[in-house]
Amino acid sequence: AQKITQTQPGMFVQEKEAVTLDCTYDTSDQSYGLFWYKQPSSGEMIFLIYQGSYDEQNATEGRYSLNFQKARKSANLVISASQLGDSAMYFCAMRESVYNFNKFYFGSGTKLNVKP
Amino acid sequence: EAQVTQNPRYLITVTGKKLTVTCSQNMNHEYMSWYRQDPGLGLRQIYYSMNVEVTDKGDVPEGYKVSRKEKRNFPLILESPSPNQTSLYFCASSSEFLNTEAFFGQGTRLTVV
Repeated sequence: AQKITQTQPGMFVQEKEAVTLDCTYDTSDQSYGLFWYKQPSSGEMIFLIYQGSYDEQNATEGRYSLNFQKARKSANLVISASQLGDSAMYFCAMRESVYNFNKFYFGSGTKLNVKP
Repeated sequence: EAQVTQNPRYLITVTGKKLTVTCSQNMNHEYMSWYRQDPGLGLRQIYYSMNVEVTDKGDVPEGYKVSRKEKRNFPLILESPSPNQTSLYFCASSSEFLNTEAFFGQGTRLTVV
């Protein structure tokens, strides 16, 4: 089974509107971390936001928030007031312990296009 | 400035010609990893290292080698590259703590013809 599933290969959003990028994960661990990264067309990977499995409140970083629903194993990224510069690929990732190593798993990504 | 440095950024090579992609981090991180990114597949881990002289296979290790002789460096070696290794490669480093993010290099776009 896939560890991280992103079911939206591509999405469009109008500038200034909010958008939600979906992410579900699969783990039997109690302790894990969830991350979102942005990859603009230039290619670099930019860390956006982190949510710990024990965190009771949803993480927020500026216009980014993570809608964490533990029972549903979902960690959706919400971008408020979209800007043209938000057009990029977005990756959801989970970090969990595998033997003695804390391994990252990445989803296949969602390409977001912000329309003016 | 905390960073992971990969070189080269772009590389075109021919089938069978050995190549090395270098990776260096200045954050004293224990963990380093190599990933390849292919359309529709996301990032897949090639190899990882938990410390100096400790490396292990990731999800797609065939055709690659790594070494970790110093904490800061983690080169990726393709002994005999093939066209199916054409991809975007990322080196990443992280601390050993579960709640910390991975820091990525700028990426290396490799084309094998």
